[in-house]
Amino acid sequence: KAGVTQTPRYLIKTRGQQVTLSCSPISGHRSVSWYQQTPGQGLQFLFEYFSETQRNKGNFPGRFSGRQFSNSRSEMNVSTLELGDSALYLCASSLNSRGGLYGYTFGSGTRLTVV
Amino acid sequence: GENVEQHPSTLSVQEGDSAVIKCTYSDSASNYFPWYKQELGKGPQLIIDIRSNVGEKKDQRIAVTLNKTAKHFSLHITETQPEDSAVYFCAASMSTDKLIFGTGTRLQVFP
Repeated sequence: KAGVTQTPRYLIKTRGQQVTLSCSPISGHRSVSWYQQTPGQGLQFLFEYFSETQRNKGNFPGRFSGRQFSNSRSEMNVSTLELGDSALYLCASSLNSRGGLYGYTFGSGTRLTVV
Repeated sequence: GENVEQHPSTLSVQEGDSAVIKCTYSDSASNYFPWYKQELGKGPQLIIDIRSNVGEKKDQRIAVTLNKTAKHFSLHITETQPEDSAVYFCAASMSTDKLIFGTGTRLQVFP
């Protein structure tokens, strides 16, 4: 069974631009969570989507947004990119909104570099 | 909110020795404690998890212990091998809430 697929794997953007990252969860999984990983801050929670609704949000500015489609695929968008947004963006899928009960499976991430 | 502290930040062991990584959490309502292994260029991979109704869980060379009273949990790797070298993360959450991660431990196993 296919794992969590994140595209693209690598991305280089210029300050001020916007970017969209994509995540396809494991088939049958309906919850998708997004995390930002940086050497200084570690793994920080961005948001979680379940059944096309955002059910949880971390402490990130409004430039970070996301959505989920009816097939459970999710996208996250970062507008007006800043140098500090350079990070590995990880997507995790879970069977449903009770991720703590069923566990989370992570994708390999999208490495975003802002120049 | 939940806060997870993880120690040590780096750990070097000789092949065949044991490795122990410790985490403490702050929210007594947390009831799910997974451990992830992250290799270079990859996403975190779940290696073992434990829930608050269990004190210890073992899977071959890996074991996790949980002390709910003291709010800490530990990962034990026995008979370490070079392929165990990676960054290990602990995390905590309530069943319906997000995962809060520790800061990670870089484990190096020398042949």
